[in-house]
Amino acid sequence: GQNIDQPTEMTATEGAIVQINCTYQTSGFNGLFWYQQHAGEAPTFLSYNVLDGLEEKGRFSSFLSRSKGYSYLLLKELQMKDSASYLCAVRVRGGSYIPTFGRGTSLIVHP
Amino acid sequence: NAGVTQTPKFQVLKTGQSMTLQCAQDMNHEYMSWYRQDPGMGLRLIHYSVGAGITDQGEVPNGYNVSRSTTEDFPLRLLSAAPSQTSVYFCASSSPSIEGYGYTFGSGTRLTVV
Repeated sequence: GQNIDQPTEMTATEGAIVQINCTYQTSGFNGLFWYQQHAGEAPTFLSYNVLDGLEEKGRFSSFLSRSKGYSYLLLKELQMKDSASYLCAVRVRGGSYIPTFGRGTSLIVHP
Repeated sequence: NAGVTQTPKFQVLKTGQSMTLQCAQDMNHEYMSWYRQDPGMGLRLIHYSVGAGITDQGEVPNGYNVSRSTTEDFPLRLLSAAPSQTSVYFCASSSPSIEGYGYTFGSGTRLTVV
């Protein structure tokens, strides 16, 4: 199976930058996802990394290092609406393409 | 285009009752999955399907059954509800046409077993 580790909770200030880390231990790595989930709502897809490096999408960027089993999600110019849980999920080779989710990081953005 | 539709949104069951959580998608996605989400536990996979007529167990399958007779529908059946099955249930679908086979989730079913 996969062991996925994320911090439980983080706080940050509106307008600042925050980095949410995710480490994983798995064999047959085949991609890493980040999802955002607001309280009481469904998760929504943010990013997907399968190769090493940084992927940028507007205010959000995601980084992957396969050799270190490490990823981070970088949120810039934080807004109050960014207060949510951020879920890291890892997929392995095996045909099913079903990702395993970490426990999520609850981000609180305060004024 | 409705995406992934789950019904009901809320449900209260008595211990021992059975029920079916409905999930339907209109995106012609091959892959569908059921997850449960509990505080501090993240999303845990119950069952999944890679196509009509094909299902398999996930991490926490006990007490649940699924079937996939059509591409669109993937119902989850609770055979005899227990308080430990109190949770939020999410259905999700994906397809090779989506970046990395990323999921689209339904809005969830909040189930309480008393």
